[in-house]
Amino acid sequence: AQKITQTQPGMFVQEKEAVTLDCTYDTSDPSYGLFWYKQPSSGEMIFLIYQGSYDQQNATEGRYSLNFQKARKSANLVISASQLGDSAMYFCAMRERSNYQLIWGAGTKLIIKP
Amino acid sequence: ETGVTQSPTHLIKTRGQQVTLRCSSQSGHNTVSWYQQALGQGPQFIFQYYREEENGRGNFPPRFSGLQFPNYSSELNVNALELDDSALYLCASEDGFSYEQYFGPGTRLTVT
Repeated sequence: AQKITQTQPGMFVQEKEAVTLDCTYDTSDPSYGLFWYKQPSSGEMIFLIYQGSYDQQNATEGRYSLNFQKARKSANLVISASQLGDSAMYFCAMRERSNYQLIWGAGTKLIIKP
Repeated sequence: ETGVTQSPTHLIKTRGQQVTLRCSSQSGHNTVSWYQQALGQGPQFIFQYYREEENGRGNFPPRFSGLQFPNYSSELNVNALELDDSALYLCASEDGFSYEQYFGPGTRLTVT
């Protein structure tokens, strides 16, 4: 069963606008972590933000914030004031405490238009 | 930068050949995971090594094998290469205490 779902294969956003990238997940483990990574065309996986399942507040890292809705099992990434350099693939991933591997979504290709 | 390095950056091999990819972990990290990322897809977990022992394996055949050395650097070996093995291979290291994995820049393997 697919555990991470990213329903937006691609998105076009105007520069300086905010953008929300969707991610839903499925797990029966009460302890887990959710991650967002950015992958530019160079291929390197760049860590953006992390949310633990027991964290009371939504995670924020600069222009990135994670809209964590535990009951809905969603962990959407919000990028404020988008920049041209934000154009890349974005992956949502999950790691369960009972497991050792990162489970990845299929990714969303974000293109920022000038 | 994460401090995780991989070599080589790019590699072209012929079907049926064998390949070895290398990964140097971030200082202090005793766990390394390998992932295969086919074009246009998310990464797929291959296996993980913890203190030189295989700690878990994804759905990959035995011709994918690995090693971890006392300095925690790692190798991924693939025998009898197939065209579908063409992908970006990522390694990630971690300290075993936190959830986060730190990724290297990847090795892009092309099998012709």
